[in-house]
Amino acid sequence: GAVVSQHPSRVICKSGTSVKIECRSLDFQATTMFWYRQFPKKSLMLMATSNEGSKATYEQGVEKDKFLINHASLTLSTLTVTSAQPEDSSFYICSALSGQGIYEQYFGPGTRLTVT
Amino acid sequence: GENVEQHPSTLSVQEGDSAVIKCTYSDSASNYFPWYKQELGKRPQLIIDIRSNVGEKKDQRIAVTLNKTAKHFSLHITETQPEDSAVYFCAASRGGATNKLIFGTGTLLAVQP
Repeated sequence: GAVVSQHPSRVICKSGTSVKIECRSLDFQATTMFWYRQFPKKSLMLMATSNEGSKATYEQGVEKDKFLINHASLTLSTLTVTSAQPEDSSFYICSALSGQGIYEQYFGPGTRLTVT
Repeated sequence: GENVEQHPSTLSVQEGDSAVIKCTYSDSASNYFPWYKQELGKRPQLIIDIRSNVGEKKDQRIAVTLNKTAKHFSLHITETQPEDSAVYFCAASRGGATNKLIFGTGTLLAVQP
């Protein structure tokens, strides 16, 4: 149990286009999901906390108009990178919490975004 | 702000030896400390975690110790095997509904056969 999927696993896009990444909890309802960004050989950097039915909470330095997050249901959160630029190229990973009081986060497999 | 420091950044051991990775956190309200193993290009996998009401936890060859006073926690891997080679991340959280994890900088562990 506790499986989180992400789609797509890899995406290449041109500068100026927008890219949507989906994060789904497959066998549980996730009231809270998190979006991370990871550069090569670096740690996971939290971008935002996504709560179902409410606005995401962004970490300091993360542009909310650049990285749009929508958590429309208890099993789906989406991250849209708008007007993508080469510096947005990175590994994006989501995670999900199964409910209040539960500590463990379940991670998705990640999405490799390359902006040309 | 919250910060988690992790050492060493790289660690090479011989197969069968022990490996120790240490982390220090800054937020005294942190009460949940997981360790993740990440293989290249893969998702982080939780390998062990500890909560603040416990000083030590063990699961087969893996153990974690916590010193809340000093705000230190460590990962111990005994009888290392080549398949233990990966990047290991510690993290700290206040737990609860939001459970925001602050990750350490990672340790690349290489187990030489």
